[in-house]
Amino acid sequence: AQSVTQLGSHVSVSEGALVLLRCNYSSSVPPYLFWYVQYPNQGLQLLLKYTTGATLVKGINGFEAEFKKSETSFHLTKPSAHMSDAAEYFCAPLLWGSYIPTFGRGTSLIVHP
Amino acid sequence: DVKVTQSSRYLVKRTGEKVFLECVQDMDHENMFWYRQDPGLGLRLIYFSYDVKMKEKGDIPEGYSVSREKKERFSLILESASTNQTSMYLCASKKRTSGWNEQFFGPGTRLTVL
Repeated sequence: AQSVTQLGSHVSVSEGALVLLRCNYSSSVPPYLFWYVQYPNQGLQLLLKYTTGATLVKGINGFEAEFKKSETSFHLTKPSAHMSDAAEYFCAPLLWGSYIPTFGRGTSLIVHP
Repeated sequence: DVKVTQSSRYLVKRTGEKVFLECVQDMDHENMFWYRQDPGLGLRLIYFSYDVKMKEKGDIPEGYSVSREKKERFSLILESASTNQTSMYLCASKKRTSGWNEQFFGPGTRLTVL
C-alpha cells in the first residue's frame, strides 16, 4: 500500500540552527507533494508544493523542500530557525491513482531560545 | 481574504447526543472534506464531497454522516456521540480543477464527549 512517512514525531532545534524535517513516500510514480504547517490553535495552511519542473521548491517563511525521485523523499529545510517556526508540520503527497492527499502523522518542531 | 469557517471552536457534548459540526467556505470550491486530528495519528479523512449532494466515505466514516445541500456548506453529523469521538475536527475545501490545487483549512472544532 502506498504511504507517507515523517521521520520523528518531534524535532528540537535551537534558534538560528538548521531545520530539517523528513518526509518519504512510497510510490512508483512521482506524486504531487505538499507541506502544510499548523500553528497552535489554528488550522493547516500551505507551506509549499511540488507539482512539476524545478525540484527545489521555495515556500513561505524561508522554508524550502527538494524533491528527490531516487530517494522518494521531499524533506523540508530552513537555514535558520526562528521561535515563530514552532508548529506542527505535515507532509502530504498526492499519490498515484488518488484524488486526495495522504497526510503524514506530522512532526512537531520545537525551537529553543 | 479567502476563508473556511467552522461553527464552533470548542464543543462539549454528552454521550448519546446528536452533534452537528458546520463548515462554510466562501471560495466557490467544489470539493469539501472533514478530517479528525488526534495526537500521533495525523489527519484522518472521515468524509469528502465532490460537489453539492455528493459524498464519499473516507478512511474512518464509522459513526459519522455528512450533508451537503449547498455548495458552500458541509456538515458533519455524529448520530450518537461517544467518548472515542473526542477529537479535533478540521474542515477543508479545494477547487476541483486539478489534483495539485491546495486544500484550505478551517480553524478546527475541538469536540469533547463526556
